[in-house]
Amino acid sequence: GNSVTQMEGPVTLSEEAFLTINCTYTATGYPSLFWYVQYPGEGLQLLLKATKADDKGSNKGFEATYRKETTSFHLEKGSVQVSDSAVYFCALSGGGGATNKLIFGTGTLLAVQP
Amino acid sequence: DGGITQSPKYLFRKEGQNVTLSCEQNLNHDAMYWYRQDPGQGLRLIYYSQIVNDFQKGDIAEGYSVSREKKESFPLTVTSAQKNPTAFYLCASSIEVDGNYGYTFGSGTRLTVV
Repeated sequence: GNSVTQMEGPVTLSEEAFLTINCTYTATGYPSLFWYVQYPGEGLQLLLKATKADDKGSNKGFEATYRKETTSFHLEKGSVQVSDSAVYFCALSGGGGATNKLIFGTGTLLAVQP
Repeated sequence: DGGITQSPKYLFRKEGQNVTLSCEQNLNHDAMYWYRQDPGQGLRLIYYSQIVNDFQKGDIAEGYSVSREKKESFPLTVTSAQKNPTAFYLCASSIEVDGNYGYTFGSGTRLTVV
């Protein structure tokens, strides 16, 4: 079945450092891909998404490009801030699975130190 | 403002008792979902419902039950048959727009069984 694999955390960075969180997926078709962010004690908020190959999702300085050839959707940010500290989830829907079911990776905890 | 309301935010129950978690949405979304979140395991789908009076099991449905009598409401009952119910529970809803799904999450209920 469809699945998402993302790098394990925690990821600890200093403020203004470059961030990459790796995410790869397995799907029989062409899924939509998402990054969600979860701040402590809260639910999930959509950070960005891409619905077809070569699309780039971006929001709040974060970017991710849908790479069909490497089945990847890595999250990047050029300069992180303390306020970016959260858990980040990569997810997919569709792609041979039930179109409206979201399948999540295990999440990556990001801790940004001042 | 439209959104999803989960209540209560924290819930304590004695072992062997059934407990019901509330999820209400005023977004007019057709589909609703329940996820369970455990440290290091990401989010796992418990049940989902695509229309009123219909629902399907997710990946970890054992020990849980749901109902969908109204479009706005999708309560989750954690029964005494669930062997390890202590977790963070997230409710979500979705709507299809031009073949793509947009998801909204609630803020979650943390259930602790003592």
